[in-house]
Amino acid sequence: DVQLVESGGNLVQPGGSLRLSCAASGFTFSNYSMHWVRQAPGKGLEWVSYISVNISTAYYADSVKGRFTISRDSATNSLYLQMNSLRAEDTAVYYCARNSRWVITGTTFYYYYYGMDVWGQGTTVTVSS
Amino acid sequence: DIQMTQSPSSLSASVGDRVTITCRASQSISNYLNWYQQKPGKAPKLLIYAASSLQSGVPSRFSGSGSGTDFTLTISSLQPEDFATYYCQQSYITPPITFGQGTRLEFK
Repeated sequence: DVQLVESGGNLVQPGGSLRLSCAASGFTFSNYSMHWVRQAPGKGLEWVSYISVNISTAYYADSVKGRFTISRDSATNSLYLQMNSLRAEDTAVYYCARNSRWVITGTTFYYYYYGMDVWGQGTTVTVSS
Repeated sequence: DIQMTQSPSSLSASVGDRVTITCRASQSISNYLNWYQQKPGKAPKLLIYAASSLQSGVPSRFSGSGSGTDFTLTISSLQPEDFATYYCQQSYITPPITFGQGTRLEFK
C-alpha cells in the first residue's frame, strides 16, 4: 500500500526545536516532490513547505521562513522538517503529503497539474510553556 | 499571494440532497484548482484536480467545474459518509500554495 507515516511531534517550549520525519512506502519516493501542510486546532489547512525531487528547490510559507528547513533522503525514503525557534502559533497537526502530477492534453499543448494525492495521518506539535 | 475564499463556511443538508460549494480566487488561476475532503481527526483526501478531473477511486457523485476565478464542487446526492469539511486549493501561482478556509457540511 502507498503510505506516509509522520513522527516526531511532541510538546516543546517556545523557542525550542523539533524535527519531524515522514516515512514513505509503497511508491518510488525519489520520483515525487513532497509537501508539509499543517492544521492548527480547529482551523483550516495551511501549506508550510515544499521540496523538489532533486532537492534543488525548497519553498516555505512566510510564517516559517528562516525557522523551518525541509529536507529529504531518498536512500531511506524519508522526508524531514527541522523546526527551530518554535512559537505558540506553530502548534498544529503536521501532515506530509505527496505531490503528484497529471498531464492533460489540450488541442495544441500539454498541461501539467499538481495536487497532494497521498497524505500521512499527521503528527501533533504543541508549543507551550 | 492568491487568496481563496469559499462559501458558504458551513452548510446543513440531508442525505440525498444535491449540494454545491463555491470557491473564488482573488485572481485568475485558469483551472489550477483542487478540492479536498477532510473528516474529523483524519487527513485530507484529494477529490478533484484541475478543477474538474475526478481523482481515482472517488465516487462519481462528486464533480467540479469552473475556470478563472470561480469554481464549484457539487455532490449530486449526499451520502452519510460525505459529511465532512471541504477545502479548495490553488496550484497556479506557487509559492505559496493556498487553501480556502473550508466549508463544513453538516447533517440537517
